[in-house]
Amino acid sequence: EAGVAQSPRYKIIEKRQSVAFWCNPISGHATLYWYQQILGQGPKLLIQFQNNGVVDDSQLPKDRFSAERLKGVDSTLKIQPAKLEDSAVYLCASSRNPTGDAIYFGEGSWLTVV
Amino acid sequence: GESVGLHLPTLSVQEGDNSIINCAYSNSASDYFIWYKQESGKGPQFIIDIRSNMDKRQGQRVTVLLNKTVKHLSLQIAATQPGDSAVYFCAETPAPRRNQGGKLIFGQGTELSVKP
Repeated sequence: EAGVAQSPRYKIIEKRQSVAFWCNPISGHATLYWYQQILGQGPKLLIQFQNNGVVDDSQLPKDRFSAERLKGVDSTLKIQPAKLEDSAVYLCASSRNPTGDAIYFGEGSWLTVV
Repeated sequence: GESVGLHLPTLSVQEGDNSIINCAYSNSASDYFIWYKQESGKGPQFIIDIRSNMDKRQGQRVTVLLNKTVKHLSLQIAATQPGDSAVYFCAETPAPRRNQGGKLIFGQGTELSVKP
């Protein structure tokens, strides 16, 4: 079974530029998550989707971050404009459903803002 | 606020020894816990999970213990190998998952170093 796929793996941009990350969850997984992991810390939830609907986006900085999962499968996370403090790993994860199933992570998209 | 914390930021063990990584959680309503292993440059890898109606669960070379009385979680790794070197995170769901949709809260992690 293929895991959670993410791209790009690495991205370097200047502050105030924009960037987009893509995620393809494990086949059949209805729940998709985006987490932000700053170096030396545990991942922090940004947004959670159930199919194509948002379940929780309370931690998403909506003035600059946006995410969508239009067809209930793939998802994109966008940052515009980027700030230096956005330098982090952006992890996509998925689970079969939100009640009682394990959550599996992709390898992450590493963002450096200079 | 609610948090999941780890007692030790680093742990060094000899190859072949058993490792015990500890975690404290603060929300007594949490009902699902996962241990993840994260190697340098990679995403968190699911190791083992446990629900609050259990106090012990075993996997291959790993055992998770849950003590709800003192809100403590531990991960035991038997016969630790160099490949086990990584950062280990525990994560909890702070509320019943059917209402919160499975949101995980992570601690800062424990770095396990295995000496050959």
